[in-house]
Amino acid sequence: DGGITQSPKYLFRKEGQNVTLSCEQNLNHDAMYWYRQDPGQGLRLIYYSQIVNDFQKGDIAEGYSVSREKKESFPLTVTSAQKNPTAFYLCASSIAGSHTGELFFGEGSRLTVL
Amino acid sequence: DQQVKQNSPSLSVQEGRISILNCDYTNSMFDYFLWYKKYPAEGPTFLISISSIKDKNEDGRFTVFLNKSAKHLSLHIVPSQPGDSAVYFCAAGYSSASKIIFGSGTRLSIRP
Repeated sequence: DGGITQSPKYLFRKEGQNVTLSCEQNLNHDAMYWYRQDPGQGLRLIYYSQIVNDFQKGDIAEGYSVSREKKESFPLTVTSAQKNPTAFYLCASSIAGSHTGELFFGEGSRLTVL
Repeated sequence: DQQVKQNSPSLSVQEGRISILNCDYTNSMFDYFLWYKKYPAEGPTFLISISSIKDKNEDGRFTVFLNKSAKHLSLHIVPSQPGDSAVYFCAAGYSSASKIIFGSGTRLSIRP
């Protein structure tokens, strides 16, 4: 079945450690996104990529990094520079240039900093 | 600066009645709008969308209304069912940039 797979579902990190969240899609979508969800704040855009080897910062990119070496994959690294990394992270994809803008989401990864 | 706002964090509606969720936006350049539904610990799922050139779009029990002059859209669910209990996110985007901005969400509870 086509879809978006995020892993791990739950992740614990000690302060000062970098962690990488995986996102893979087999929908053949050009565009991919990372959002962060905090209670009462909805979904905030971290990074997005419209094409392989290109990505743009979203609204809260500080302390995060991404790569887009393959169309199917868009991993997110949460670095030690991110001041408050505990959150629910959502990866999504869409057809680039779609006039409906429909995003397809993965099931999310919950990161907890100990 | 919040470009997409959902001012009601929660809403409780009796089963069978109409649920109306509201959303306001500030950027007149958005050219499409969407509603997503989210259950706890899951990713959001697409519900319905509307282009900025329309003022209404209907899909079964769900209807979205767009008022461009007021920069306001609303989602109507009728009749409301227990399975509709979830968090609903309003979102807006630009087709030229593939960037979608979400509101903070409204938690809808359907009571028996």
